Amino acid sequence: EAQVTQNPRYLITVTGKKLTVTCSQNMNHEYMSWYRQDPGLGLRQIYYSMNVEVTDKGDVPEGYKVSRKEKRNFPLILESPSPNQTSLYFCASSLSIFLVTAQGDEQFFGPGTRLTVL
Amino acid sequence: AQTVTQSQPEMSVQEAETVTLSCTYDTSENNYYLFWYKQPPSRQMILVIRQEAYKQQNATENRFSVNFQKAAKSFSLKISDSQLGDTAMYFCAFTETTGTASKLTFGTGTRLQVTL
Repeated sequence: EAQVTQNPRYLITVTGKKLTVTCSQNMNHEYMSWYRQDPGLGLRQIYYSMNVEVTDKGDVPEGYKVSRKEKRNFPLILESPSPNQTSLYFCASSLSIFLVTAQGDEQFFGPGTRLTVL
Repeated sequence: AQTVTQSQPEMSVQEAETVTLSCTYDTSENNYYLFWYKQPPSRQMILVIRQEAYKQQNATENRFSVNFQKAAKSFSLKISDSQLGDTAMYFCAFTETTGTASKLTFGTGTRLQVTL
Protein backbone atom coordinates (compact mmCIF):
# COMPACT_ATOMS: atom_id res chain seq x y z
CA GLU A 1 0.00 0.00 0.00
CA ALA A 2 1.34 3.41 -1.00
CA GLN A 3 1.75 5.50 2.09
CA VAL A 4 3.69 7.99 4.15
CA THR A 5 4.43 6.83 7.68
CA GLN A 6 5.47 8.88 10.68
CA ASN A 7 6.76 7.83 14.07
CA PRO A 8 5.94 8.41 16.79
CA ARG A 9 2.30 9.39 16.43
CA TYR A 10 2.27 10.97 19.88
CA LEU A 11 5.16 12.31 21.93
CA ILE A 12 5.36 14.20 25.20
CA THR A 13 8.81 15.47 26.08
CA VAL A 14 10.56 18.13 28.13
CA THR A 15 12.33 21.30 27.12
CA GLY A 16 15.82 20.71 25.77
CA LYS A 17 15.64 16.96 25.24
CA LYS A 18 16.62 16.20 21.66
CA LEU A 19 14.11 14.25 19.62
CA THR A 20 13.62 12.93 16.11
CA VAL A 21 10.36 12.37 14.27
CA THR A 22 10.82 9.90 11.46
CA CYS A 23 9.09 10.02 8.09
CA SER A 24 9.19 7.36 5.43
CA GLN A 25 7.47 6.94 2.06
CA ASN A 26 7.30 3.87 -0.16
CA MET A 27 6.34 5.58 -3.42
CA ASN A 28 9.82 6.52 -4.66
CA HIS A 29 8.85 10.17 -4.41
CA GLU A 30 11.48 12.84 -5.00
CA TYR A 31 9.89 15.63 -3.02
CA MET A 32 9.33 15.50 0.74
CA SER A 33 8.25 18.17 3.13
CA TRP A 34 7.45 18.87 6.78
CA TYR A 35 4.58 21.03 7.98
CA ARG A 36 3.37 22.07 11.39
CA GLN A 37 -0.28 22.73 12.13
CA ASP A 38 -1.35 25.18 14.81
CA PRO A 39 -4.85 26.40 15.68
CA GLY A 40 -5.79 29.49 13.71
CA LEU A 41 -2.67 29.28 11.57
CA GLY A 42 -3.34 26.35 9.27
CA LEU A 43 -0.35 24.33 8.08
CA ARG A 44 3.01 25.98 7.57
CA GLN A 45 6.01 24.48 5.85
CA ILE A 46 9.11 23.87 7.98
CA TYR A 47 11.59 22.28 5.56
CA TYR A 48 11.47 20.54 2.24
CA SER A 49 13.72 18.30 0.18
CA MET A 50 13.82 18.04 -3.59
CA ASN A 51 15.96 14.91 -3.59
CA VAL A 52 18.64 13.04 -1.68
CA GLU A 53 21.06 15.43 0.03
CA VAL A 54 19.04 18.46 -1.17
CA THR A 55 17.11 20.28 1.54
CA ASP A 56 15.95 23.84 2.05
CA LYS A 57 14.08 25.99 4.52
CA GLY A 58 10.39 26.59 4.40
CA ASP A 59 8.47 29.33 6.16
CA VAL A 60 9.16 28.38 9.79
CA PRO A 61 12.52 26.53 9.98
CA GLU A 62 13.82 27.97 13.26
CA GLY A 63 14.53 25.28 15.85
CA TYR A 64 14.38 22.40 13.38
CA LYS A 65 16.84 20.35 11.34
CA VAL A 66 16.28 17.77 8.64
CA SER A 67 18.35 15.34 6.63
CA ARG A 68 17.76 13.36 3.43
CA LYS A 69 20.34 10.60 3.22
CA GLU A 70 17.98 8.17 1.52
CA LYS A 71 15.19 8.89 -0.89
CA ARG A 72 12.51 7.26 1.22
CA ASN A 73 13.35 8.89 4.60
CA PHE A 74 13.14 12.48 5.76
CA PRO A 75 13.51 12.79 9.54
CA LEU A 76 12.70 15.97 11.45
CA ILE A 77 15.11 16.76 14.27
CA LEU A 78 14.50 19.05 17.21
CA GLU A 79 17.89 19.57 18.83
CA SER A 80 16.56 21.48 21.84
CA PRO A 81 12.77 21.48 21.86
CA SER A 82 10.89 24.36 23.44
CA PRO A 83 7.22 24.70 24.42
CA ASN A 84 6.48 26.85 21.34
CA GLN A 85 7.22 23.77 19.24
CA THR A 86 4.21 22.01 20.71
CA SER A 87 2.22 21.30 17.58
CA LEU A 88 0.83 18.75 15.15
CA TYR A 89 3.43 17.78 12.56
CA PHE A 90 2.83 16.38 9.11
CA CYS A 91 5.26 14.85 6.68
CA ALA A 92 4.28 14.86 3.02
CA SER A 93 5.70 13.56 -0.24
CA SER A 94 5.05 13.90 -3.94
CA LEU A 95 6.49 12.48 -7.12
CA SER A 96 7.45 15.82 -8.56
CA ILE A 97 9.04 18.89 -7.02
CA PHE A 98 6.23 20.81 -8.60
CA LEU A 99 3.77 18.78 -6.56
CA VAL A 100 1.37 18.32 -9.40
CA THR A 101 2.13 17.17 -12.91
CA ALA A 102 -0.78 14.92 -13.67
CA GLN A 103 -4.05 13.81 -12.21
CA GLY A 104 -3.35 11.83 -9.11
CA ASP A 105 0.18 13.14 -8.70
CA GLU A 106 -0.58 15.20 -5.67
CA GLN A 107 1.09 15.54 -2.31
CA PHE A 108 0.48 12.62 0.07
CA PHE A 109 0.38 13.31 3.78
CA GLY A 110 1.43 11.15 6.68
CA PRO A 111 -0.93 10.57 9.61
CA GLY A 112 0.56 13.33 11.76
CA THR A 113 2.60 13.45 14.97
CA ARG A 114 1.21 15.21 18.00
CA LEU A 115 4.16 16.69 19.91
CA THR A 116 3.90 18.27 23.35
CA VAL A 117 6.94 19.98 24.86
CA LEU A 118 6.63 20.69 28.57
CA ALA B 1 4.33 36.05 -1.29
CA GLN B 2 1.29 33.90 -1.81
CA THR B 3 -1.46 34.06 0.78
CA VAL B 4 -4.64 32.08 1.23
CA THR B 5 -7.55 33.45 3.25
CA GLN B 6 -10.47 31.53 4.65
CA SER B 7 -12.78 34.02 6.33
CA GLN B 8 -15.20 31.52 7.90
CA PRO B 9 -13.64 29.89 10.98
CA GLU B 10 -16.74 27.75 11.61
CA MET B 11 -19.84 26.75 9.71
CA SER B 12 -22.78 24.51 10.33
CA VAL B 13 -25.14 22.80 7.92
CA GLN B 14 -27.98 20.36 8.27
CA GLU B 15 -27.73 16.93 6.78
CA ALA B 16 -28.78 16.78 3.11
CA GLU B 17 -28.41 20.54 2.71
CA THR B 18 -25.83 22.41 0.63
CA VAL B 19 -23.02 24.49 2.08
CA THR B 20 -20.36 26.69 0.49
CA LEU B 21 -16.97 27.34 2.02
CA SER B 22 -15.10 30.45 0.92
CA CYS B 23 -11.46 30.89 -0.01
CA THR B 24 -9.55 33.75 -1.55
CA TYR B 25 -5.90 33.84 -2.48
CA ASP B 26 -3.30 36.28 -3.63
CA THR B 27 -0.60 35.57 -6.18
CA SER B 28 1.18 37.24 -9.05
CA GLU B 29 1.65 33.94 -10.85
CA ASN B 30 -0.44 32.86 -13.80
CA ASN B 31 0.10 29.10 -13.50
CA TYR B 32 -0.91 27.45 -10.27
CA TYR B 33 -3.10 24.84 -8.63
CA LEU B 34 -5.71 25.18 -5.93
CA PHE B 35 -6.85 22.47 -3.58
CA TRP B 36 -9.35 21.72 -0.89
CA TYR B 37 -8.23 19.33 1.83
CA LYS B 38 -10.45 17.70 4.42
CA GLN B 39 -9.16 16.93 7.91
CA PRO B 40 -11.59 14.75 9.89
CA PRO B 41 -11.16 14.10 13.62
CA SER B 42 -8.63 11.40 12.72
CA ARG B 43 -6.35 14.32 11.65
CA GLN B 44 -5.54 12.69 8.32
CA MET B 45 -5.22 15.20 5.47
CA ILE B 46 -7.44 14.06 2.61
CA LEU B 47 -7.45 15.71 -0.80
CA VAL B 48 -11.03 16.56 -1.73
CA ILE B 49 -10.68 18.38 -5.02
CA ARG B 50 -8.14 20.25 -7.13
CA GLN B 51 -8.33 22.95 -9.78
CA GLU B 52 -5.76 23.91 -12.40
CA ALA B 53 -5.67 27.66 -12.91
CA TYR B 54 -5.45 27.37 -16.67
CA LYS B 55 -8.72 25.43 -16.83
CA GLN B 56 -11.84 27.54 -16.97
CA GLN B 57 -14.14 24.65 -16.18
CA ASN B 58 -14.87 24.22 -12.51
CA ALA B 59 -13.72 20.93 -11.00
CA THR B 60 -16.26 18.49 -9.57
CA GLU B 61 -15.89 15.31 -7.54
CA ASN B 62 -19.20 13.66 -6.78
CA ARG B 63 -20.92 15.89 -4.18
CA PHE B 64 -18.03 18.35 -4.11
CA SER B 65 -17.61 21.15 -6.62
CA VAL B 66 -15.74 24.41 -6.80
CA ASN B 67 -16.50 27.87 -8.05
CA PHE B 68 -13.20 29.13 -9.41
CA GLN B 69 -13.11 32.83 -10.25
CA LYS B 70 -9.58 33.53 -11.46
CA ALA B 71 -9.94 37.27 -11.92
CA ALA B 72 -11.39 37.64 -8.43
CA LYS B 73 -8.87 35.11 -7.02
CA SER B 74 -11.68 33.22 -5.40
CA PHE B 75 -11.99 29.45 -4.95
CA SER B 76 -15.06 28.34 -3.02
CA LEU B 77 -16.06 24.76 -2.23
CA LYS B 78 -19.66 23.63 -2.49
CA ILE B 79 -20.75 20.48 -0.71
CA SER B 80 -24.11 19.18 -1.86
CA ASP B 81 -26.31 16.72 0.03
CA SER B 82 -24.18 17.13 3.15
CA GLN B 83 -23.53 14.00 5.18
CA LEU B 84 -22.52 13.51 8.79
CA GLY B 85 -19.18 12.18 7.54
CA ASP B 86 -18.45 15.57 6.01
CA THR B 87 -17.92 16.98 9.49
CA ALA B 88 -14.28 18.07 9.45
CA MET B 89 -11.86 20.93 9.15
CA TYR B 90 -11.49 22.07 5.56
CA PHE B 91 -8.35 23.73 4.29
CA CYS B 92 -7.93 25.65 1.08
CA ALA B 93 -4.41 25.44 -0.35
CA PHE B 94 -2.42 26.88 -3.22
CA THR B 95 0.72 25.92 -5.09
CA GLU B 96 2.47 27.54 -8.01
CA THR B 97 4.02 25.48 -10.77
CA THR B 98 7.02 27.58 -11.66
CA GLY B 99 10.35 28.00 -9.97
CA THR B 100 12.76 25.50 -8.53
CA ALA B 101 10.53 24.04 -5.88
CA SER B 102 7.01 24.22 -4.67
CA LYS B 103 5.05 24.13 -1.47
CA LEU B 104 1.46 24.17 -0.44
CA THR B 105 0.36 27.42 1.13
CA PHE B 106 -2.63 26.78 3.35
CA GLY B 107 -5.46 28.90 4.64
CA THR B 108 -6.35 28.84 8.32
CA GLY B 109 -9.21 26.41 7.83
CA THR B 110 -12.99 26.27 8.21
CA ARG B 111 -14.49 23.89 10.74
CA LEU B 112 -17.67 22.39 9.28
CA GLN B 113 -20.25 20.72 11.47
CA VAL B 114 -22.99 18.68 9.80
CA THR B 115 -26.02 18.26 12.05
CA LEU B 116 -29.11 16.06 11.95
